[in-house]
Order: sequence, then structure tokens, then C-alpha cells
Amino acid sequence: QLQLQESGPGLVKPSETLSLTCTVSEDTIGTTDSFWAWIRRPPGKGLEWIASISFTGSTYYNPSLESRVTISVDTSKTHFSLRLNSVTAADTAVYYCARGLIEIFGALMRFDPWGQGTLVTVSS
Amino acid sequence: NFMLTQPHSVSESPGKTVTISCSRSSGSIDSTFVQWYQQRPGSSPITVIYEDDQRPSGVPDRFSGSIDRSSNSASLSISGLQTEDEADYFCQSYDRSNHVVFGGGTRLTVL
Repeated sequence: QLQLQESGPGLVKPSETLSLTCTVSEDTIGTTDSFWAWIRRPPGKGLEWIASISFTGSTYYNPSLESRVTISVDTSKTHFSLRLNSVTAADTAVYYCARGLIEIFGALMRFDPWGQGTLVTVSS
Repeated sequence: NFMLTQPHSVSESPGKTVTISCSRSSGSIDSTFVQWYQQRPGSSPITVIYEDDQRPSGVPDRFSGSIDRSSNSASLSISGLQTEDEADYFCQSYDRSNHVVFGGGTRLTVL
């Protein structure tokens, strides 16, 4: 059963860069018709899609975050990563990585499974 | 892009049925599939409905999904409410440019 696990610093200073890695339990990145994604949930708020990367390496970003975000896949194809620049307190959230499943027309449709999530706090 | 609007909270008694709505702001609700996720405190989201009305294996048949073209909305119904159903529920859809949209989430309280 596919499992995903987020890792990275739990505390980031304002204006610095948040960097997270998602480790995928099976050798599936780049070998299946899947996307890989980052989603976050700030305290007291709802889920927010951040970014996705396709099995071909194409990247897709939430327009509200696009200027600050980069998603990438490690050359080993066992990890994918998120970088979020110039963070503020508003970026404090639980960050989840997830596999994206596609619909019949090839578009990213839904997420399953999700990692357990990692809390990132932005504070000096 | 479009938005998905959900009620902030709903509450109902054990054994009853509750329905949570998800209204799409622009574009047809049936242009792309709608999913529903359940998130309990301290846990990751899990899928309870995908492709508008499909239930993953392991999800009780008390959970059902539907879409209504006349109101341009989707709905999640949970019958025979149990205390374990108390959670946040999120609808989600997408466009064919691979951008994803979540609804704001609904807090379900089982009184």
C-alpha cells in the first residue's frame, strides 16, 4: 500500500524559505500516470492546494502562491519537494503531500493517499 | 477560476441524516468531477466520495454523493449519523488545466 511521509523543519523564520520533502514508499514517481502534490491547512482554516507535478515533470501552481512556490521531483524518483519563498505568519500550516489521481481525460482529479502532514510554524 | 462554497457548520443528532452542500460559482458542476474528503482532528483527509457519487471501498454506504445541475451544486449525505462521523468535510473539484479547488469546509457536529 502506497505511503507518503513529509519531512522538514517545523519552524521557519519570516522572509526565509520553507523547504519540505515527501518520501514515497514505492517506486512510483515517474513510472505511473500519477501527479504528486502539496496541500496545506492553516490553523482554523480549510484545505488549500499549493502545487502539483505530473509524471512527465510538468508543474502546476495555485495562482495565489505561484510567485513563491517551486515543486520538484528528486532524480532518484523516490522523493518530491516543495520550496516556498519569503514566508510570513500566514504560511503557518500543516503541510500535506499526496498522490494525485487523474481522470479519463488526463486531468488531475483527486488526491489519495495523503501523508500524515507536518506542522510548519513561521515565527522569529 | 471557480470557487466552491460550503456551509461553515452543520449539526444533527445520532441516527439522523445530514446533507452538506457545495455550490460551484462558475462553470457547470458536471463539467468536472466532485470529490468529498473527511478530516478528523489530528488526522489526514480521507476520500469518502469521488467522481461525484462513487464510494471507495471501506467507506460505509451511509455516505452518498450527488450533483444537482439546476442549483449547480454537489451534496454529501450521511445517514444513520454516528458520533464517529463528527469531522470536517471538504468538497473538491478541478479544471482541465490541472488546477484544483477545495471548498472552505464544513464542520459536522453530531449532537
